[in-house]
Amino acid sequence: DAGVTQSPTHLIKTRGQQVTLRCSPKSGHDTVSWYQQALGQGPQFIFQYYEEEERQRGNFPDRFSGHQFPNYSSELNVNALLLGDSALYLCASSRWGNQPQHFGDGTRLSIL
Amino acid sequence: GESVGLHLPTLSVQEGDNSIINCAYSNSASDYFIWYKQESGKGPQFIIDIRSNMDKRQGQRVTVLLNKTVKHLSLQIAATQPGDSAVYFCASRGMAYSGAGSYQLTFGKGTKLSVIP
Repeated sequence: DAGVTQSPTHLIKTRGQQVTLRCSPKSGHDTVSWYQQALGQGPQFIFQYYEEEERQRGNFPDRFSGHQFPNYSSELNVNALLLGDSALYLCASSRWGNQPQHFGDGTRLSIL
Repeated sequence: GESVGLHLPTLSVQEGDNSIINCAYSNSASDYFIWYKQESGKGPQFIIDIRSNMDKRQGQRVTVLLNKTVKHLSLQIAATQPGDSAVYFCASRGMAYSGAGSYQLTFGKGTKLSVIP
């Protein structure tokens, strides 16, 4: 039974570029949440998707957007990358209304 | 606003001893709490959770205690092993914003547990 999978594992971009990160939820899960984890910090909630709609959003600018597909997989898009966007981006999945959220191993994004 | 914090950033324990990791939260409306373990280069791994209508919950070698009066949460690990070395995060869930199933977790900064062989 595959857990949450994320791709790519590592990514290097330059300022001003845009990036797309991908997530496949754990089998049986229909809800995907994205978190940003800066070095030495706890994860910070970006947004959550269910039924292909954004259901909740954390304190992140509109440069951060997402999408959920009919198969429950999800993408995180970040435009106009800033140096401060360098972080580990984590995807977590769950069943709607159920706990807990299960995390993938993340995508390490480095901005040069 | 809601915040979750930990009392100590690092904790060193002898192998075989019990470990206690503490966490404070500020949002009295939080109804669900969860502990995660994060090893280097990996994502957070679920350890144990507890709802606000409980004071204690036990798992395999782990116990979570919740004191709602002082808004304090702790994770106890029995007979700590080298494989327990990791960063431990507590997280809380506030009120649902758009339906019973919608929620976000608020994480603390984490406590690094080092087990001395």
